Amino acid sequence: ETGVTQTPRHLVMGMTNKKSLKCEQHLGHNAMYWYKQSAKKPLELMFVYNFKEQTENNSVPSRFSPECPNSSHLFLHLHTLQPEDSALYLCASSPRGGPMETQYFGPGTRLLVL
Amino acid sequence: QKEVEQNSGPLSVPEGAIASLNCTYSDRVSQSFFWYRQYSGKSPELIMSIYSNGDKEDGRFTAQLNKASQYVSLLIRDSQPSDSATYLCAVNMNYGGSQGNLIFGKGTKLSVKP
Repeated sequence: ETGVTQTPRHLVMGMTNKKSLKCEQHLGHNAMYWYKQSAKKPLELMFVYNFKEQTENNSVPSRFSPECPNSSHLFLHLHTLQPEDSALYLCASSPRGGPMETQYFGPGTRLLVL
Repeated sequence: QKEVEQNSGPLSVPEGAIASLNCTYSDRVSQSFFWYRQYSGKSPELIMSIYSNGDKEDGRFTAQLNKASQYVSLLIRDSQPSDSATYLCAVNMNYGGSQGNLIFGKGTKLSVKP
């Protein structure tokens, strides 16, 4: 596979469930990002990992828990979510997290919380 | 609060016309500027990046940057129905170790009528 992949592509979960989103990049990058995209809102940066170290937590509620076991994989663990957490969750990667670098996005996971 | 502002549209242009998309940003020292295209239900894909004042051309697309006015634009010449999408402007944050992080505008929805 090439680029950035995400699984699952669609997810429906209840508020008491626990689920995980997975992101994998095949670009040899070292920086990975989680974004949330809700209707009529700009893309919101959630977490950033650079060389497996978390460098940004953009005031995200603790019901979202990221994990980055290596530079190619990024997870977002979800538990006791709220209906307002329903959104498109996008993963992205860039070479080193530098200011002149392009971020490449995965296809996203469409999440619905009931 | 660092912000990126875009007119949400929709911007409607006839096929073959020039579409002009505009973006303003609040952080005077931002270094890098990106235009992403997002089709409905898909993830953002990079159209253009620009780092210096002036114009940058790539095929039918021209990005224009004016750092003094904190303004970046995207021109699409000979617009095609396949250009119908939401165009996202993104600007890098410019503080500390987060210089590679991006702030996105809400996007401008472009509709090209045959």
